[in-house]
This record gives sequence, C-alpha cells and structure tokens, in this order.
Amino acid sequence: AQKVTQAQTEISVVEKEDVTLDCVYETRDTTYYLFWYKQPPSGELVFLIRRNSFDEQNEISGRYSWNFQKSTSSFNFTITASQVVDSAVYFCALKGWRNFGNEKLTFGTGTRLTIIP
Amino acid sequence: GAGVSQSPSNKVTEKGKDVELRCDPISGHTALYWYRQSLGQGLEFLIYFQGNSAPDKSGLPSDRFSAERTGGSVSTLTIQRTQQEDSAVYLCASRKTLDRSNEKLFFGSGTQLSVL
Repeated sequence: AQKVTQAQTEISVVEKEDVTLDCVYETRDTTYYLFWYKQPPSGELVFLIRRNSFDEQNEISGRYSWNFQKSTSSFNFTITASQVVDSAVYFCALKGWRNFGNEKLTFGTGTRLTIIP
Repeated sequence: GAGVSQSPSNKVTEKGKDVELRCDPISGHTALYWYRQSLGQGLEFLIYFQGNSAPDKSGLPSDRFSAERTGGSVSTLTIQRTQQEDSAVYLCASRKTLDRSNEKLFFGSGTQLSVL
C-alpha cells in the first residue's frame, strides 16, 4: 500500500519569511515518482515538480526548492522569501512504477499555507 | 480549449437523485482522470481513461458510480441514487500522453457536489 503524509495541516507565515512544507511517504515500489501540486483558491491544481526515486539530486526553481531524502522517505518543499501569491493548499503525491498502466496518484491531505502581508 | 473545463461548477441535489458531471479535457490530451476531494481529505483517485477505454476503475467507490468517455474527448461521471457522503469536489485532469517522460497533469476547477 502507498501512503503520503503531510503532517502540517495549516501554516501561516509573514511575507518574506521562508517556509518548509513537509512530506513523508510510504511505498513498497523500488521505483516511484513524487510530485508537488499547488491548489490556489480558484481550485485548479497546478503541477510544480516531479521527482524520480532514482534521482536524489535536490532541485531549485526560483524561490522554490525541493529536498528529496530517500533514507527518510521525505520530499520536502521550501519557499524562500514567501509572497502573498504563494497562499494556497499544497499537495504532495506519489505514484509507483510497478508496470505500465499504473496511473493512480496517491495524494497527501494537503497543507494550507497562508502568507500574511 | 485552453484548459480543462468542468461543468457544472456547483451542483446541489437531493438524496436519491442521479447526477452527471462533465469534463472537457485539453484538446489532444489522450489520458483523462477523475479524482474526488472531500473536506479535509486528500485527492482520491476514481478512474482514468486512455482514449475511450478505462484501464483502471479501481477507485470508483461503489456501483452507483460510473464514467464514460466518447470520441476520446469529453467524459461524463455519473452518480446514481446520490448519498450525502457523495458530497465532495470532483476534479478532472488530463494529460497529453502516457509517456513516462511527461507526467504533468492539468486539472480543471472541479464540480462542487452537495447532496442534501
């Protein structure tokens, strides 16, 4: 069985502060993908990143960075110098790669991030 | 269209009635997915289509739920004899192909279903 845990239900920070969203996952698959999606108030989830399990290199994209630690089964997301537009619900998700045709994403329960101006 | 379109955006129905939710994916996207988002829960996978076929229906909660896709485009999710526990946001997503190099899903804004 696969499971994604986002223990932080809600986080509030003051604008320009850095904030890290935690994601811990469980899977028996040896190869898998990890994702982060952003859900702004409009409701449409927006893809942020995909990471393969065999690539542990951390990634930075502008103010966003991701820290993948296979040893602790974590895929944390950091926003540097937060802005009000970062306010949204953020979802971490997992997909196993056991065989072609497994299209099911397992999502965490999300973290609601509020940036206070 | 430019994005994934879902209709209606809101649906209020009485317990026991049938409802149909529609999804219009991005033009040319061969894969289409339905997810359900309940209050305080993560997204729950329901079903996905490759073309008009549904290789994985494992997430459909009961036989009251069904979905179809025609012409490799529009999909309809039907819930028969709705129950209050069906109240949720139903999200549709599409993807250009099932190529492993491209895992990006494009989501619609969802249909908020309320069963009274």
